[in-house]
Amino acid sequence: DTEVTQTPKHLVMGMTNKKSLKCEQHMGHRAMYWYKQKAKKPPELMFVYSYEKLSINESVPSRFSPECPNSSLLNLHLHALQPEDSALYLCASSLEGAGVQEKLFFGSGTQLSVL
Amino acid sequence: AQTVTQSQPEMSVQEAETVTLSCTYDTSESDYYLFWYKQPPSRQMILVIRQEAYKQQNATENRFSVNFQKAAKSFSLKISDSQLGDAAMYFCAFYSGGSNYKLTFGKGTLLTVNP
Repeated sequence: DTEVTQTPKHLVMGMTNKKSLKCEQHMGHRAMYWYKQKAKKPPELMFVYSYEKLSINESVPSRFSPECPNSSLLNLHLHALQPEDSALYLCASSLEGAGVQEKLFFGSGTQLSVL
Repeated sequence: AQTVTQSQPEMSVQEAETVTLSCTYDTSESDYYLFWYKQPPSRQMILVIRQEAYKQQNATENRFSVNFQKAAKSFSLKISDSQLGDAAMYFCAFYSGGSNYKLTFGKGTLLTVNP
């Protein structure tokens, strides 16, 4: 299994809603990432988890709350989002140690619309 | 800080022909990694090819090859025998290693393949 699976594929939410994005991989990767991508722009790193611990938070607003319950699962909890948060949210994983310099495995993303 | 520049926002190629996508970068590091990632309409980012800066030999992966010019800080991607499935956004990316998990992406080149 060489897949990173993201659910849901599409999400529409109001500014007062609470929702969660889910990412799962079964490749034994110990580094997992959340990226945000606006249309026709490159992905922007949000968070990195290494061995289930938050390693990097790229100054992301607190209305985005990541969680890594186990080595295979990564969540992104959303609360009180703004319309400008509408974007494609990509999850990725990599081998810890080998890591970014080898290969990132990406999911197909969740397209989020905030109304 | 590293920067990655893709000077061609859009390119087009006829099926079965060859196309070259340009990428230049700026860094003071001597040891680093360069990548081309592809993002088709499915939105999943897929690694096309990677190059280690200490290797003089240009990387190749089937129909994909790079022209890596370290002194000029240039890393172009050549796609031979272009296929309809090659149509995608192509991102050049840079990574300098260490504990920083952050890839620096260029702005991307949208490749259209005409039948």
